[in-house]
Amino acid sequence: DAGVTQSPTHLIKTRGQHVTLRCSPISGHKSVSWYQQVLGQGPQFIFQYYEKEERGRGNFPDRFSARQFPNYSSELNVNALLLGDSALYLCASSLTGITEAFFGQGTRLTVV
Amino acid sequence: QKEVEQDPGPLSVPEGAIVSLNCTYSNSAFQYFMWYRQYSRKGPELLMYTYSSGNKEDGRFTAQVDKSSKYISLFIRDSQPSDSATYLCAMSNSGGSNYKLTFGKGTLLTVNP
Repeated sequence: DAGVTQSPTHLIKTRGQHVTLRCSPISGHKSVSWYQQVLGQGPQFIFQYYEKEERGRGNFPDRFSARQFPNYSSELNVNALLLGDSALYLCASSLTGITEAFFGQGTRLTVV
Repeated sequence: QKEVEQDPGPLSVPEGAIVSLNCTYSNSAFQYFMWYRQYSRKGPELLMYTYSSGNKEDGRFTAQVDKSSKYISLFIRDSQPSDSATYLCAMSNSGGSNYKLTFGKGTLLTVNP
């Protein structure tokens, strides 16, 4: 069975640009969460979606937005990129959002 | 004070050693406790998932939760070089805000052959 898949795996963007990251959850999972992990730190919660509705949002600016599609895949959008947005962006899927969360391999974003 | 504290290490042990990894937390509402293993430049891999207090064993791994002390542990028996990775503890609430995981910083473990 396919696990959580994220695309692209690596990305380089310039300050001020916009980026879209994509995630496909494990088949049958209805919840997708996004996390940001900077080097040397644990992942930080950005968003969770369940059944296409936003269930929670972490302490991130409005430049960050996300959505979930009818097939439960999700995308994370970041506008007006800053150097500090450089990080590994992780997507996690779970059956309901309060059970075990399984992570994808991440998208490594570098902002120059 | 951070909600979850984890010693970042690094921790270096010989092959075959018993490894003990620990986290402390301050939020008494945490009910779900997880350990993830993360290899360099990869996503976290779920190792153990426990609810409330007690022990859980899976092969060479044992997770312990002591809610009275707000302390969780992961033990690795007969450690192998392939166990070399960063180990992350994670926790979540029960109830209205149980949608997010709060992570420690991770402990970097090296198992030397």
